[in-house]
Amino acid sequence: EVQLQQSGAELVRPGTSVKLSCKVSGDTITAYYMHFVKQRPGQGLEWIGRIDPEDDSTKYAEKFKNKATLTADTSSNTAYLKLSSLTSEDTATYFCTRGFRFFDYWGQGVMVTVSS
Amino acid sequence: EIVLTQSPTTIAASPGEKVTITCRASSSVSYMYWYQQKSGASPKLWIYDTSKLASGVPNRFSGSGSGTSYSLTINTMETEDAATYYCQQWSSTLFTFGSGTKLEIK
Repeated sequence: EVQLQQSGAELVRPGTSVKLSCKVSGDTITAYYMHFVKQRPGQGLEWIGRIDPEDDSTKYAEKFKNKATLTADTSSNTAYLKLSSLTSEDTATYFCTRGFRFFDYWGQGVMVTVSS
Repeated sequence: EIVLTQSPTTIAASPGEKVTITCRASSSVSYMYWYQQKSGASPKLWIYDTSKLASGVPNRFSGSGSGTSYSLTINTMETEDAATYYCQQWSSTLFTFGSGTKLEIK
């Protein structure tokens, strides 16, 4: 069974960065694109971007191009999302998911709270 | 970027009632995808390629549409269907979600 296991909740200071992980089990990470999705409290889903772990190529939604960086480590079957210059607007749950046209498996989500 | 507009934003339905949620795209898309999300949980793939039910989805659900107009229909509402539903499209390597429709039990 495919599972996406995300790292734990983060409390971070404004202006700093945070790196979230998403480990894939039950399949190889190179089988699909890996994506990250943002959900602010009580709000909808926003696609951040995707990485192709096969060649490390990335695509980002326009609003996240200077905010998010996606990487992948095929040796550990893990994808990463780094968020920089954090503000209160980045307080949200971040999900990892996989797929080419749609998203079939999702991580459990990780809550990132930006607060001084 | 293709914008997806869902309607209604919120809807309450009685058990046994028929429910339809619509998703309109700002430009034509080839397929629509739908997700169900319950409070505190991750989204679940519900319908893919416009009308195909994901594994385990009850057949009271159906999806249809083409071009810029798509819909998710529940033939007979059940209490377990209360959730938020999101549509999603993929085009030109970019993905967008609709703003969601919250379905409640009346």
